[in-house]
Amino acid sequence: DGGITQSPKYLFRKEGQNVTLSCEQNLNHDAMYWYRQDPGQGLRLIYYSQIVNDFQKGDIAEGYSVSREKKESFPLTVTSAQKNPTAFYLCASSTGGSPLHFGNGTRLTVT
Amino acid sequence: EDKVVQSPLSLVVHEGDTVTLNCSYEVTNFRSLLWYKQEKKAPTFLFMLTSSGIEKKSGRLSSILDKKELFSILNITATQTGDSAVYLCAVPNAGGTSYGKLTFGQGTILTVHP
Repeated sequence: DGGITQSPKYLFRKEGQNVTLSCEQNLNHDAMYWYRQDPGQGLRLIYYSQIVNDFQKGDIAEGYSVSREKKESFPLTVTSAQKNPTAFYLCASSTGGSPLHFGNGTRLTVT
Repeated sequence: EDKVVQSPLSLVVHEGDTVTLNCSYEVTNFRSLLWYKQEKKAPTFLFMLTSSGIEKKSGRLSSILDKKELFSILNITATQTGDSAVYLCAVPNAGGTSYGKLTFGQGTILTVHP
């Protein structure tokens, strides 16, 4: 079945460490997105990529970095510069005029 | 800046009840409004609304858009415990050419008791 795989499901890190969240899709979608979800707040866009080797900042890109070397993969690195990294991270993809298709998310806890 | 506000933020009902969830928006160059259902993990797509006054329906769920008053409602009739979820409303960002750059509301947490 086609879909989006995010790994790991849960991630624990110490403050000051960089961490990379994986996102892989086999839907052959051109565009991929990273959203962050905090309790009581809606999803907020971190980064997005509409084609390979190109990506743009979303609304809350500070402290994050991404790469898009392959169409199927869009990893997100949470750097030590991100002040409040503990959150639920959702990866999504879309193509043409289709609505977003989401992965199951990674819950990151930084202590 | 685009803005989406949902109400209520949480709602507790019993099976069989009918619920109405609200979503108001302020967006430059409105194109559409989307509803998603989130059960703990991945949000799943429910409806996309582009035209005012035309109801979209899927089983016990229905939604309608009012472009004049800038809001949408999501109705769920004869609720079941499986309807318990967070319901998210979103609009595509101004200037975007896709439906992937979205501004989301805070979500409504619906809890349906047996």
